[in-house]
Amino acid sequence: GQNIDQPTEMTATEGAIVQINCTYQTSGFNGLFWYQQHAGEAPTFLSYNVLDGLEEKGRFSSFLSRSKGYSYLLLKELQMKDSASYLCAVKDSNYQLIWGAGTKLIIKP
Amino acid sequence: IAGITQAPTSQILAAGRRMTLRCTQDMRHNAMYWYRQDLGLGLRLIHYSNTAGTTGKGEVPDGYSVSRANTDDFPLTLASAVPSQTSVYFCASSEVSGSTDTQYFGPGTRLTVL
Repeated sequence: GQNIDQPTEMTATEGAIVQINCTYQTSGFNGLFWYQQHAGEAPTFLSYNVLDGLEEKGRFSSFLSRSKGYSYLLLKELQMKDSASYLCAVKDSNYQLIWGAGTKLIIKP
Repeated sequence: IAGITQAPTSQILAAGRRMTLRCTQDMRHNAMYWYRQDLGLGLRLIHYSNTAGTTGKGEVPDGYSVSRANTDDFPLTLASAVPSQTSVYFCASSEVSGSTDTQYFGPGTRLTVL
């Protein structure tokens, strides 16, 4: 079966750095996406990785290792507005997105 | 309109009733999707459409039907609602259905079936 694993919840302090991990087992791989979802709102696109390595976008970076079936999202200089759920999703061999259950990130002052 | 709109925002429905959730996008995207999101589970694909006139089944299609008469609209119909269909429903679209394609989501419809 296909599976995406992420921690259910994480807590971090404002101004700090947090790393959210995602491991996957899917039938084929055509890219990995990270989305942010604030409570009661729609998911919004953060990043996309298809090759191994680190992609940096301002305070957010995403890393991929295809051989290990592993990705992480790194958030720097945390702000209160970063409190949200972070969803990891993989495009499988049929180009369908398989979604993790999401990681709820709680930021404390 | 900018992006994707969904209607209604929320709905309480008696079991056995028929319900259509509406989704409209103005980005001229070819592909559209319907997901449901339940607590503790990832988004699950119900149905999708790669282009106007074609539809396909996702992971959890039973009890749902869709149509894609034109590029902009992708309604989702529950023929006879059951309590297990209580969920938040998201419509999404993407330019094409290829590997690098990013999906953009509507605001969602919160549906409660009693």
